[in-house]
Amino acid sequence: EAGVVQSPRYKIIEKKQPVAFWCNPISGHNTLYWYLQNLGQGPELLIRYENEEAVDDSQLPKDRFSAERLKGVDSTLKIQPAELGDSAVYLCASSLYPGADYEQYFGPGTRLTVT
Amino acid sequence: KQEVTQIPAALSVPEGENLVLNCSFTDSAIYNLQWFRQDPGKGLTSLLLIQSSQREQTSGRLNASLDKSSGRSTLYIAASQPGDSATYLCAGIGSARQLTFGSGTQLTVLP
Repeated sequence: EAGVVQSPRYKIIEKKQPVAFWCNPISGHNTLYWYLQNLGQGPELLIRYENEEAVDDSQLPKDRFSAERLKGVDSTLKIQPAELGDSAVYLCASSLYPGADYEQYFGPGTRLTVT
Repeated sequence: KQEVTQIPAALSVPEGENLVLNCSFTDSAIYNLQWFRQDPGKGLTSLLLIQSSQREQTSGRLNASLDKSSGRSTLYIAASQPGDSATYLCAGIGSARQLTFGSGTQLTVLP
């Protein structure tokens, strides 16, 4: 069974430029998550989708970040414009259903460097 | 808001030693607790999931316990090997229904 797929794995951009990350969850997983992980810290939730609906986006900086999950499968996270402080690893995860009883499976992440 | 703390931040042990990693959380109304492993430059690999009705879970050389009353979980690794070297993260789902992570313990097992 294929795991969570993310691309690109690495991205280097100049500040004020836009950037987009793509995630393909495990087949059949209803719930998709985007996390931000700063160096030496644990991941922090940015947004959670159940099918196509964003049900928890309270920690997404909406002035510059946006996300979508078309047809309830793949998802894209966008930053426009990027700032130096956005340099981090962006992780995508999926679970069969939402809720505490279902394990979250993580992708390898996209490491973003903003110069 | 759930807060998760992991101590120590880093740990170095000789090969073959048994070790314990600690995790504490503030919200006793925790629904489950999950331990992950993260290798450098990689994503997270789920190791063990303990549901709130359980007290421990075992997988191979790993044993994780959950004590909700004290707000603590431990990950026990038996007979450590150099291949166990990684960062170990615990994460809990509390009343906010979202996974909250600790900062991790970076483990180095010396050959």
